[in-house]
Order: sequence, then structure tokens, then C-alpha cells
Amino acid sequence: DAMVIQNPRYQVTQFGKPVTLSCSQTLNHNVMYWYQQKSSQAPKLLFHYYDKDFNNEADTPDNFQSRRPNTSFCFLDIRSPGLGDAAMYLCATSRDLQTSTDTQYFGPGTRLTVL
Amino acid sequence: QQQVKQSPQSLIVQKGGISIINCAYENTAFDYFPWYQQFPGKGPALLIAIRPDVSEKKEGRFTISFNKSAKQFSLHIMDSQPGDSATYFCAASKHDYKLSFGAGTTVTVRA
Repeated sequence: DAMVIQNPRYQVTQFGKPVTLSCSQTLNHNVMYWYQQKSSQAPKLLFHYYDKDFNNEADTPDNFQSRRPNTSFCFLDIRSPGLGDAAMYLCATSRDLQTSTDTQYFGPGTRLTVL
Repeated sequence: QQQVKQSPQSLIVQKGGISIINCAYENTAFDYFPWYQQFPGKGPALLIAIRPDVSEKKEGRFTISFNKSAKQFSLHIMDSQPGDSATYFCAASKHDYKLSFGAGTTVTVRA
């Protein structure tokens, strides 16, 4: 009964080789988020989708892009991964953007290694 | 800069003891304060949350204490168990979706 599913759980890529991470949800939530979490650090929000509306955080590098083809799926594309992009990438969802009532549910994450 | 300051960075407690994690914030516009628990290799999971109109919230062995005037809130884990060993993040948000996370506290419960 997994609610937020991320694939793959582990991804190895080469420096500069594009990579795509996948997230799907069974909660039918309107909002999907992508976070980057480096070792021993807090998650850092990269961007989110509210339905089809894309919202980028000001400090998210252009190297990171996202697609949401439908309610259930969201993808994170890293166009030219650098060594500094090695991290855990977390997908999260929430029903809406009203924080007083809407919890963010996180997936298990994808651990990205850049060689 | 970090909007939510969390301490300690790590703590070790004996089984059955009390774990206490503290967080402080500056932005008085924050109106939602969740705690997340994260096990190694897993995503964070919501543990318990509080609104500023309440001074304490308890769910099982986990209690949030909230001091609005001091702009501080804390998580108490009573009767700590080895299964509670994890990293705990406090967070805060305003009338929007953005969670400002603390730096995290790694809790180790010794049997």
C-alpha cells in the first residue's frame, strides 16, 4: 500500500550524463515536490507542481528540470550531473497547499551517485 | 540562512530514558510546526505536528511542547526504545507550502 513510490531507489550515472528520476503517487494529491538531501543535511526544496503549474525555487540550478505528465507521475531530470549533485532525491506530495491541513508525504528517495 | 535552529546535533539515550530535541525560530509568521522522523535510507515521515495556539500536543510516547513567546518548540520522546533510533527534523511553515527544516538530530537509543 505504498503511497509515494520512487524509482529507481539507487541510480549511478556518469559525470555529465543526463539522468531521470521517477516519482508516482497513489494518493491523488494535487501537489508534488522534489527535494535534494545531502548527507547529514536537511531536505532542500528544488521545485513543486501544483496540478500542472510548475514553481521553481529561486536557488535551484538550471541543471535541474521537472515534468509532470499527469496527476500520478512526476519526473526529475538532471541534464548534466556534476559530482556535487550526488545526493538523495526525495519526492513528496500533499493534497493541497494549505499547510494547516495538508501534510507532506515523502517517498523513500532515490540515492544518486555521480562517477 | 537557516530559519529554524535545531539542537543537539546528536544524542545518545539509554532504553527507557527521555530524548529531548529543541528548536527555535525567528519568523513569527510561522503557523505550523511538524516533526519528521527519518530512518537511514528512507524518506522523512511525519511524526507529530502542532499549531501555535496550543502549548502541548501528545501522541503516544511523543510530545511537542510549544512556547510561543520564546519562539521555541521541542520534541520529547518518553520511554525511548531502540526502534526510535533515527534522525529527527523539526520544521516550520507559514501560510504556504514551504517547510523550513532544522538541521536534524540523530538519536541513538542504547539497549
